[in-house]
Order: sequence, then structure tokens, then C-alpha cells
Amino acid sequence: IAGITQAPTSQILAAGRRMTLRCTQDMRHNAMYWYRQDLGLGLRLIHYSNTAGTTGKGEVPDGYSVSRANTDDFPLTLASAVPSQTSVYFCASSGSSGSPDEQFFGPGTRLTVL
Amino acid sequence: GQNIDQPTEMTATEGAIVQINCTYQTSGFNGLFWYQQHAGEAPTFLSYNVLDGLEEKGRFSSFLSRSKGYSYLLLKELQMKDSASYLCAVRDSNYQLIWGAGTKLIIKP
Repeated sequence: IAGITQAPTSQILAAGRRMTLRCTQDMRHNAMYWYRQDLGLGLRLIHYSNTAGTTGKGEVPDGYSVSRANTDDFPLTLASAVPSQTSVYFCASSGSSGSPDEQFFGPGTRLTVL
Repeated sequence: GQNIDQPTEMTATEGAIVQINCTYQTSGFNGLFWYQQHAGEAPTFLSYNVLDGLEEKGRFSSFLSRSKGYSYLLLKELQMKDSASYLCAVRDSNYQLIWGAGTKLIIKP
């Protein structure tokens, strides 16, 4: 693995179903993030984790949950998907020492909830 | 509330110069980032400003005025591959990034 990967690339999901989006990084970054990107809106933070074992809520956390059991993995779960969760989901990580500590993004997961 | 404003779309000619503006109102300021995002792809880091002034990186430069809550990204010698969306983001007092909606730049030959 080089960098940050996400799976699946795309998914069509029936409303009410449970879905987990996977994210793995091999850069040993401490911090990881989940964003959603919708047309006409900026990236919006769903959940984040500053280090393994800790998580926090972002701007739009409702309907989503995360876990951070180790440094590399940060899965995002939709417990019961709704059509408004149709979006492109990006996972990101950061944690290089010093400035600017920019975020590196995975390729994204395009999710459609019908 | 927190707000990042950028133009929705701009058009420029190959070989020319274009300036993309970003104004912000955030709770705290710990740096401003510019990212490039090609259609269907992930954002990639372009530049970072934390102090007032101009940062130059090849064909791209970024300027910051903290007192005015203003930044711009300057792209010189435009190439067709520069057609993309450019995202402005501010790191707030919680060290979280607040993102603008992005500026779609269209380059014409």
C-alpha cells in the first residue's frame, strides 16, 4: 500500500441497510478524518481521530459512527442508510512532524442510497 | 458561524495568469491551505500560509492577509492540466479544517 486507500470505490445501497466504508493508511499518521463532499458545498467533516483509541465528532456526525482500533485503519459505518447520505466520502490523514501538517486524501468512495 | 467564500467558477486562457480569491471568517486561525482537485479525484495539497505575505512555489503563489481575512492563489503560465477545482481551507482554533466550496477553473486554448 502506498499512502491512503479506501474501499469500496463506489456502492449503491438500499435505504435502511448498514454499510461500512473502509480506510487504511500506511504513513503512520496519527490523525485521520472522514469527510463528505456534495455538489456546491465544501468538504464537511463527519468524524475525526487525533490518535489511535480516540475519536471526535465533526460538523455532520449524525447517522455515522467510527472506530480507531489501531493507527492504520479508520472505518466509517452508516448504521441505517438514508438517501441524504448519498455523497462522495473522502478519508484523509495527517501527522507529519512540523508545519504545515497538511492532510492527505484517499481516492474517495461514491455512495448512492436509494 | 464559520464561513469561507470563493467564486464558484472562473475561466482563463492557456498561457495567461489567473487569481482565485478566498475570504474567510473563522473561530481562530492556524493557517490557510489551498488544494487542487481534478474532477473525480481526491484533493491534493498545493500551498500553505500562516504568516502574512506571499509564498511562491513554481507557477503557483499564495498570498495571505490575516487582518483582512483574505487569501488568493495565483496561477501563472496556465496549462490545460490546470483545469480543476481549487479549494481554500482554514485551520481553526480546534485545528480542524473549514473548507470553501471550491472554485472550478476552466482553461480555454
